[in-house]
Amino acid sequence: SAVISQKPSRDICQRGTSLTIQCQVDSQVTMMFWYRQQPGQSLTLIATANQGSEATYESGFVIDKFPISRPNLTFSTLTVSNMSPEDSSIYLCSVEKGRGAGGELFFGEGSRLTVL
Amino acid sequence: AQKVTQAQTEISVVEKEDVTLDCVYETRDTTYYLFWYKQPPSGELVFLIRRNSFDEQNEISGRYSWNFQKSTSSFNFTITASQVVDSAVYFCALRPPHSGNTPLVFGKGTRLSVIA
Repeated sequence: SAVISQKPSRDICQRGTSLTIQCQVDSQVTMMFWYRQQPGQSLTLIATANQGSEATYESGFVIDKFPISRPNLTFSTLTVSNMSPEDSSIYLCSVEKGRGAGGELFFGEGSRLTVL
Repeated sequence: AQKVTQAQTEISVVEKEDVTLDCVYETRDTTYYLFWYKQPPSGELVFLIRRNSFDEQNEISGRYSWNFQKSTSSFNFTITASQVVDSAVYFCALRPPHSGNTPLVFGKGTRLSVIA
């Protein structure tokens, strides 16, 4: 398994500000994923972060809005920039353990952001 | 295209009742992986099961059981003798077989409320 810690667990932010979410894993992992879960909705992948390369963003998500860092194999950050109320969501970090698509994906507890 | 449908948005049952959560998926791949996750009110996603598309055996784990039927593209989840602690949102997810940046495709989730 994998133990994933996210900070902050929740925050209330003002419109126009930016917030960085941290994701720390208890073991080295190659791939880390960032998901967004809007209120009452399912999870949507924002981007995949591999150490040593630029993050790969899904359609509808751009680096200027959601810059990601992956400085090493156990840590990543996601910044939500210039926030608006529409960014109020739970942001979840996920890592893969095991090989290929059959590996297990583990999730952190999420960071619940409310933008006023 | 990959798609997961969880037609039941919300289900309420009385404690000790059995309940089945439906999941229907669409994929053109012949090899894929199916997952179920539980999301309690705390927000964390808890991994429940992973199923390879070649393995159609049903699985039982305590009060949980899964019925995988490739012929109907369904992967239903049954909780026997439900308990209040089972109250959560349950997500079914699909992952294609390719290694690399292959995200999970989630259904919209089913909110289960178990009433004492």
